[in-house]
Amino acid sequence: GDSVTQMEGPVTLSEEAFLTINCTYTATGYPSLFWYVQYPGEGLQLLLKATKADDKGSNKGFEATYRKETTSFHLEKGSVQVSDSAVYFCALSPYNFNKFYFGSGTKLNVKP
Amino acid sequence: DTGVSQDPRHKITKRGQNVTFRCDPISEHNRLYWYRQTLGQGPEFLTYFQNEAQLEKSRLLSDRFSAERPKGSFSTLEIQRTEQGDSAMYLCASSLARGGGSPLHFGNGTRLTVT
Repeated sequence: GDSVTQMEGPVTLSEEAFLTINCTYTATGYPSLFWYVQYPGEGLQLLLKATKADDKGSNKGFEATYRKETTSFHLEKGSVQVSDSAVYFCALSPYNFNKFYFGSGTKLNVKP
Repeated sequence: DTGVSQDPRHKITKRGQNVTFRCDPISEHNRLYWYRQTLGQGPEFLTYFQNEAQLEKSRLLSDRFSAERPKGSFSTLEIQRTEQGDSAMYLCASSLARGGGSPLHFGNGTRLTVT
């Protein structure tokens, strides 16, 4: 069945460091891929998305490229800030968009 | 766009009691989803509606759980005879099903603690 696997955390970085959070997926057909972010005490917020192979989603300095050949959608940011500390979830929605599958989340801690 | 609203934010109940949660989706969204999230895990799909029709239920949703979406607007999730294993964050999300890539918009969740 459809599923998402993302790297375990927590990931601890110093401010201005480069961030990569790995995400791979298993799906039939051509799913849409998403990254969501959850700040403490809040609900999940959409960070970025990509709907077809080779698409790059970007928002707030974060980027992820839909790689069909490696079934991956890794999240990157060139220079993290303390305010980026949160839990990040990779997700996919199958071609028929009837439901979404989430990874287990990766907690990011950014130290000043 | 006032966002997805969930009520209550927190609920503490004793084992064996019934609880009901409410979700108000974004007004123009025709799909509404319920997810459950436990500590350190990603959201797990429970059920979803398109308009007032409940189209799919997860195997996670035992017969103690029931969800409704009368008139295709707000939704309620009821848990009967609660058990300690029901303690979790219950998330509601909505979307506008109009084709590719429509994301989910989440509420802040209802945290249930069963004592």
